[in-house]
Amino acid sequence: GDSVTQMEGPVTLSEEAFLTINCTYTATGYPSLFWYVQYPGEGLQLLLKATKADDKGSNKGFEATYRKETTSFHLEKGSVQVSDSAVYFCALSAGGYQKVTFGTGTKLQVIP
Amino acid sequence: EAGVTQFPSHSVIEKGQTVTLRCDPISGHDNLYWYRRVMGKEIKFLLHFVKESKQDESGMPNNRFLAERTGGTYSTLKVQPAELEDSGVYFCASSQVLPKAVGELFFGEGSRLTVL
Repeated sequence: GDSVTQMEGPVTLSEEAFLTINCTYTATGYPSLFWYVQYPGEGLQLLLKATKADDKGSNKGFEATYRKETTSFHLEKGSVQVSDSAVYFCALSAGGYQKVTFGTGTKLQVIP
Repeated sequence: EAGVTQFPSHSVIEKGQTVTLRCDPISGHDNLYWYRRVMGKEIKFLLHFVKESKQDESGMPNNRFLAERTGGTYSTLKVQPAELEDSGVYFCASSQVLPKAVGELFFGEGSRLTVL
């Protein structure tokens, strides 16, 4: 079945550091790929998405590129802020009814 | 526009008791999903409603879990009787049935269930 594997956390970075959170997936066909984020005390919200190979999703300074050859969708940000502290979930959707499969989540803590 | 709302935000019950979680989706969203995250693990799909019909309930762990969506509006998820392993955060999500919205789910804040 479909699955998503993302790097273990927690990840602790200093403000303005470069962020990479690795994500790889297994799916039949050509899934859409997503990063969701959960800020403290809030629900999950979509951060960015890519619907086909080589697409780059971007939002709030975060980027991720859909790499079909390596089945990856790594999340990057050039300079993190304290306000980026949250749990980040990589996810995919391969079905017609938009069922989404999530990874385990990576907690990011950014310290001043 | 109101988002997805869930109630209660936190429930603490003893093993063997019953708990009912409620989800109010975004108005007009036909798709309603229940997911669960057990401590530190992935968010797992439980089931999917399209309006009042169950489209996919393959993720429901066992018959102690019962989900309903009367009238195609709000949904409830009842756990009876609760077991220790049911502890976790239960997320509800909704979405429109539009091709361009593929995969974009709008989540509630979750209901944390603790079974003692």
